[in-house]
Amino acid sequence: AQKITQTQPGMFVQEKEAVTLDCTYDTSDPSYGLFWYKQPSSGEMIFLIYQGSYDQQNATEGRYSLNFQKARKSANLVISASQLGDSAMYFCAMREGVTGGGNKLTFGTGTQLKVEL
Amino acid sequence: SAVISQKPSRDICQRGTSLTIQCQVDSQVTMMFWYRQQPGQSLTLIATANQGSEATYESGFVIDKFPISRPNLTFSTLTVSNLSPEDSSIYLCSVRLYGYTFGSGTRLTVV
Repeated sequence: AQKITQTQPGMFVQEKEAVTLDCTYDTSDPSYGLFWYKQPSSGEMIFLIYQGSYDQQNATEGRYSLNFQKARKSANLVISASQLGDSAMYFCAMREGVTGGGNKLTFGTGTQLKVEL
Repeated sequence: SAVISQKPSRDICQRGTSLTIQCQVDSQVTMMFWYRQQPGQSLTLIATANQGSEATYESGFVIDKFPISRPNLTFSTLTVSNLSPEDSSIYLCSVRLYGYTFGSGTRLTVV
């Protein structure tokens, strides 16, 4: 079974609008972390935001926020006020605790976001 | 966060040859991770490199094809051996230090 599922291969959004990128995860480990990365066409991986499984509040970083619904095992990324420079591939990733493999990250298949004028 | 210098940024190699990728970190780290990203795909972990011990390889990846060296706490190399066109990918190193930081990637094309 997939540990990280991103069901949106591609998304379009108008500039200045908000967009939500979906991510669901599967783990039985009570301790885990969820990450979002942005990968522009240059190929680098840019860290955006992190949510720990024990965090009480949803993470926010500037225009990025994470809609964390633990019972539903979802960790959707919300980008507010989209900009043309937000056009990129976005990956959701999970780090499980010791019982789930320790330090490594498992990635979803990604969502290609295009911001339009 | 850590700063990782990854070299080369890209290369075009003949089939049957090898390519060695280097990653230098500006901090000492226990583990370094090597990922492969095939065209249009997600990142897949190749192996975890610990200083002073053999690397731990993920299912589907073997040491003979992807030998890894980790001579100290700030440096690692990944060699992709006996290249075939199927090895054309982006290869990335990563460390866990204040989160996970990635190198800028090596774009390998095998002809």
